[in-house]
Amino acid sequence: SQWGEENLQALSIQEGEDVTMNCSYKTYTTVVHWYRQDSGRGPALIILIRSNEREKRSGRLRATLDTSSQSSSLSITAAQCEDTAVYFCATDANTDKVVFGTGTRLQVSP
Amino acid sequence: EAGVTQSPRYAVLQEGQAVSFWCDPISGHDTLYWYQQPRDQGPQLLVYFRDEAVIDNSQLPSDRFSAVRPKGTNSTLKIQSAKQGDTATYLCASSFYNYAEQFFGPGTRLTVL
Repeated sequence: SQWGEENLQALSIQEGEDVTMNCSYKTYTTVVHWYRQDSGRGPALIILIRSNEREKRSGRLRATLDTSSQSSSLSITAAQCEDTAVYFCATDANTDKVVFGTGTRLQVSP
Repeated sequence: EAGVTQSPRYAVLQEGQAVSFWCDPISGHDTLYWYQQPRDQGPQLLVYFRDEAVIDNSQLPSDRFSAVRPKGTNSTLKIQSAKQGDTATYLCASSFYNYAEQFFGPGTRLTVL
């Protein structure tokens, strides 16, 4: 497996809290994608960070990438109920294929 | 702009039956992907096309699964003789070649009894 973690992880937080999700990968990648998947829908790209970037921000989202440790993180600031979803990181191993990790199920409660 | 569309949205089969899934990608997207997503797991690539050509089908169980994209637009994924282990959501995605973002359809949820 490309991934250090095999099982879907679950996080449960309260509205207004900050949360960070981590992933690690085993093979070289030129880009790390972060997707979110709402129940009953396909994944949707929310942020993409390239190997020459250490940090990328989009609204309340912040992604980091450490190529030396082959790890990435996604942080959400002041989480809202609508952030409830499954979040996946994915890599491309320098190809035009995308390989998904198992994901993190985030539950944000009021 | 219309997104990726898939049909049917749900399918329930007995073991040994056949089923086909259909995907209409975003207009102009030359690359089309089929993924299998078991419950509580990430999507796993089965096959992908650029235009009508298969680029990689190494993860497609070739004895029972087949996929075509004859005109480089719509695509069909077929399972002959389904097994309980095929129970999963089947996702279609499309993209422009060399653009990182893939756009996913809503998926077809397959249950094999």
